[in-house]
Amino acid sequence: EIVLTQSPGTLSLSPGERATLSCRSSQSVSRSNLAWYQQKPGQTPRLLIYATSNRATGIPDRFSGSGSGTDFTLTISRLEPEDFAVYYCLQYGQYGSSRGFSFGPGTKVDIK
Amino acid sequence: DVQLVESGGGLVQPGRSLRLSCIASGFTFSDYGMTWVRQAPGKGLEWLGVIRSESYGATTDYAASVKGRITISRDDSRGIAYLQMNALKTEDTGMYFCSRVWNSWFDPWGQGTLVTVSS
Repeated sequence: EIVLTQSPGTLSLSPGERATLSCRSSQSVSRSNLAWYQQKPGQTPRLLIYATSNRATGIPDRFSGSGSGTDFTLTISRLEPEDFAVYYCLQYGQYGSSRGFSFGPGTKVDIK
Repeated sequence: DVQLVESGGGLVQPGRSLRLSCIASGFTFSDYGMTWVRQAPGKGLEWLGVIRSESYGATTDYAASVKGRITISRDDSRGIAYLQMNALKTEDTGMYFCSRVWNSWFDPWGQGTLVTVSS
């Protein structure tokens, strides 16, 4: 099983600041198989980024994704009030004779 | 509009079984894989399993944590995906979401159905 680790667990920032969220994998992940989600309390997860760096429909350009191999990053260039939420990375991969997905534990971005 | 609606959740005793349904509309259901994800109260997202489209043999993969206790199936004629859960434990309590699989990401998601396992 591929294990994703996200850091930091909590990121306390002010509106207008830059947020950098990390997602690290226990094995190499194809760039096409890494996505990012945003979840606000009481809401379903919302796709932000797919295939490492592609913004989903309707996602503002202050969100960007990058990375390769085992290290991936979600960057929010200037935090807006509506961006304070929990962010999860998702990967798909093959390990041994098995295939499957896994989520990271999440990074909470809260207001400083 | 693409829409996914889960149902079948509720209060169930430990050791019992439950079948959740995910009714899809607004897209050609048979063309897509479907997946189930759960979220325990106050916790993160946990992937449970996936069923691919018939074009890919309707094959399934499951998370190691639930493999052997869950079965995902689909009825393309009705546009429904199912999650059968057996031998339920208290730690299975949570919100259960279905989602459409698009390449290797999930979008959109249903609103979820709450499962509470308690005696």
